[in-house]
Amino acid sequence: GAGVSQTPSNKVTEKGKYVELRCDPISGHTALYWYRQSLGQGPEFLIYFQGTGAADDSGLPNDRFFAVRPEGSVSTLKIQRTERGDSAVYLCASSLTRSSPLHFGNGTRLTVT
Amino acid sequence: ELKVEQNPLFLSMQEGKNYTIYCNYSTTSDRLYWYRQDPGKSLESLFVLLSNGAVKQEGRLMASLDTKARLSTLHITAAVHDLSATYFCAVDNAGNMLTFGGGTRLMVKP
Repeated sequence: GAGVSQTPSNKVTEKGKYVELRCDPISGHTALYWYRQSLGQGPEFLIYFQGTGAADDSGLPNDRFFAVRPEGSVSTLKIQRTERGDSAVYLCASSLTRSSPLHFGNGTRLTVT
Repeated sequence: ELKVEQNPLFLSMQEGKNYTIYCNYSTTSDRLYWYRQDPGKSLESLFVLLSNGAVKQEGRLMASLDTKARLSTLHITAAVHDLSATYFCAVDNAGNMLTFGGGTRLMVKP
């Protein structure tokens, strides 16, 4: 079956611009997670959704980052006033429940010039 | 704050040799995962370890967990080139909100 789908696969933007990254989880998965992986490092947790609500956003680095999941399926990660330090691969993952195995998408590689 | 440390960070080995990657973590955990990542690709789940003394094996890879020592190991037996990748351990202490180690980049040379 279809896995976690993320679009775009690559995004290049200029410093100061606004970007949106999309995640389409596996159908029926209620839990959705965003992670960020900087070059040469392990992924870092950003935010977790259970259904439509952000259950834990403790990993968001600052208020330029925001994520939504309005209908409990697709999620969008939004970054305002992008900075060069935001350049990374943004990974989305979903699971049937919080205790079920995580399935990662292929990520969106964001480059801020 | 949970910290996860892997070593070595980089490992170059000959085909046919054995080696172990270590993963130390700082607080009690529900589960520990091992993932593989190929360049430009996403994370592939290898093992999930749930309890003290757990051991899992798949092909040339074997993972173990010692919760008292807060240590997991990933042992590679008779390495082959296809195992070249970056390996991450990740600790789950809050429902899939994982804390990852820094990764071990493995290169297996013919």
